[in-house]
Amino acid sequence: GAGVSQSPSNKVTEKGKDVELRCDPISGHTALYWYRQRLGQGLEFLIYFQGNSAPDKSGLPSDRFSAERTGESVSTLTIQRTQQEDSAVYLCASTRIMGNEQFFGPGTRLTVL
Amino acid sequence: RKEVEQDPGPFNVPEGATVAFNCTYSNSASQSFFWYRQDCRKEPKLLMSVYSSGNEDGRFTAQLNRASQYISLLIRDSKLSDSATYLCVVNGGGGNKLTFGTGTQLKVEL
Repeated sequence: GAGVSQSPSNKVTEKGKDVELRCDPISGHTALYWYRQRLGQGLEFLIYFQGNSAPDKSGLPSDRFSAERTGESVSTLTIQRTQQEDSAVYLCASTRIMGNEQFFGPGTRLTVL
Repeated sequence: RKEVEQDPGPFNVPEGATVAFNCTYSNSASQSFFWYRQDCRKEPKLLMSVYSSGNEDGRFTAQLNRASQYISLLIRDSKLSDSATYLCVVNGGGGNKLTFGTGTQLKVEL
């Protein structure tokens, strides 16, 4: 079946612009996670959604970052007033059962000029 | 102390060598443990789960030591294609999210 998909695969934007990143999880996966990975560094947890529960936003680095998810479907991560330090690969992952194996999308490579 | 710690490497080994990676975790309540593999500029993919009794999958063996709070990955007869970054992953004890280590880089050479 289809895996996790993300769009766009690459995004180049100017400092100060807003960007929206999209994630389509695997059908039937109730939990969805967003991570950030800067070049040569590890994964940094941003936010997760579990069904209709309130999302865990504890990893969002600033109020410029927000994310939404409707039910158990698509999620969007929005970064407002982008800064050069936001340049990274943004990875989305989904899982059928919380705490178990996560399946990752290919990521969106964001470059802020 | 970081929640999950790994030696970043790189480990440069010849083809056919045996190599072992260790990882320590800080949350004694953690219940799930995994090793993921990440190739350069690719997304992480599950290599294997780690079970309490230890488990083996072909050339790969994973072990868990709860008392010392570390997990290990042993790769036997390493192949060029094993070159990647190996991520140690632990759930936080609350079962809600996984914490990823920063990874250990392996380079297998001819």
